[in-house]
Amino acid sequence: KQEVTQIPAALSVPEGENLVLNCSFTDSAIYNLQWFRQDPGKGLTSLLLIQSSQREQTSGRLNASLDKSSGRSTLYIAASQPGDSATYLCAVKEGGSYIPTFGRGTSLIVHP
Amino acid sequence: DTEVTQTPKHLVMGMTNKKSLKCEQHMGHRAMYWYKQKAKKPPELMFVYSYEKLSINESVPSRFSPECPNSSLLNLHLHALQPEDSALYLCASSQRGISTDTQYFGPGTRLTVL
Repeated sequence: KQEVTQIPAALSVPEGENLVLNCSFTDSAIYNLQWFRQDPGKGLTSLLLIQSSQREQTSGRLNASLDKSSGRSTLYIAASQPGDSATYLCAVKEGGSYIPTFGRGTSLIVHP
Repeated sequence: DTEVTQTPKHLVMGMTNKKSLKCEQHMGHRAMYWYKQKAKKPPELMFVYSYEKLSINESVPSRFSPECPNSSLLNLHLHALQPEDSALYLCASSQRGISTDTQYFGPGTRLTVL
């Protein structure tokens, strides 16, 4: 059974720092991996989707990498801003499955 | 338009009530999803409709009943719920309902069962 772990569970940083969020998964036979952002009490916003054949995806200040063989993904946030404060979730899908497996998320606070 | 809308935003109901949650998308997506999310936990998939075909998550109790009137609408009918069913209910949609899709989420309905 696939298990997804996100470290750290919580992170507080000053504005302007570059930071890395980690996601690891136990079964490397994934089809894709997706990073989401969730503001308190709100829905999920998709940030980046990495297919199993890709090694990274970039969008603005965000860069996500994928290393299938080691079962790891990282989300890099450059020049963090208070507006980046949210919970960041990663989810993996295995081939042919509708059902993503989510990590428990990293709660990020960027203070001015 | 890349928006998934959900109504109501908040719902309080008693254990004997019958209520419905609604979800709508106009992106031409052919797959729609219901998730349940408890506080500080990741979302858990409840149901998937893909090309008007329901895929049922076996762990969902029968007091939750999904309905897909057409490819743009998805309802979740609630009856005889328990207090532990209180949660954020999220709807999502994707283009084809396959592993490579990106899922677009709605803002959620915050449900409280008294």
